[in-house]
Amino acid sequence: GAGVSQTPSNKVTEKGKYVELRCDPISGHTALYWYRQSLGQGPEFLIYFQGTGAADDSGLPNDRFFAVRPEGSVSTLKIQRTERGDSAVYLCASSFGTPNEQFFGPGTRLTVL
Amino acid sequence: AQTVTQSQPEMSVQEAETVTLSCTYDTSESNYYLFWYKQPPSRQMILVIRQEAYKQQNATENRFSVNFQKAAKSFSLKISDSQLGDTAMYFCAFGNNDMRFGAGTRLTVKP
Repeated sequence: GAGVSQTPSNKVTEKGKYVELRCDPISGHTALYWYRQSLGQGPEFLIYFQGTGAADDSGLPNDRFFAVRPEGSVSTLKIQRTERGDSAVYLCASSFGTPNEQFFGPGTRLTVL
Repeated sequence: AQTVTQSQPEMSVQEAETVTLSCTYDTSESNYYLFWYKQPPSRQMILVIRQEAYKQQNATENRFSVNFQKAAKSFSLKISDSQLGDTAMYFCAFGNNDMRFGAGTRLTVKP
């Protein structure tokens, strides 16, 4: 079956703009995770969903970041008033139940000019 | 704080040889999972091997095996019979849901 998909693969925006990043998990996976990977570093946990609810959002850096998963499948990571420091690859992963192996998408590379 | 340390930023190995990547971590939890992920230039994170912290036996997966020392909080990855396709970034990670990753080791397999 299809793996985790993320759109867009690349996003360039200007400082101060609003962006949305989308993640389509593997069908049937109940848990969904967002990570941020800055250049030369490992992924950094942002938030994870169990079903529709955010079970742990302790990794969100500030209130400019928000994520939703309204129907328990697709998730959208929203970033308001983007800053240059938000530039990174945003990775999404999903798993069947927790804790369990997380399957990663290819990521969205966000560049804030 | 939960942290993961990979002390080898870069390593290289000759094809068909064996290489070991090191990883240490710090946590106050007693039950957790440990993982090694591979990230080639395509950016896709691929699970290499996983280990449940409550299991004494070290996990193996074909050419990949781990040396898990729970008391020392050490979780190294051994790659036997290295292949050119093993060239990638390797990340050690642990956790239950909110996984913590190390900074990675760039492994190059030389022909």
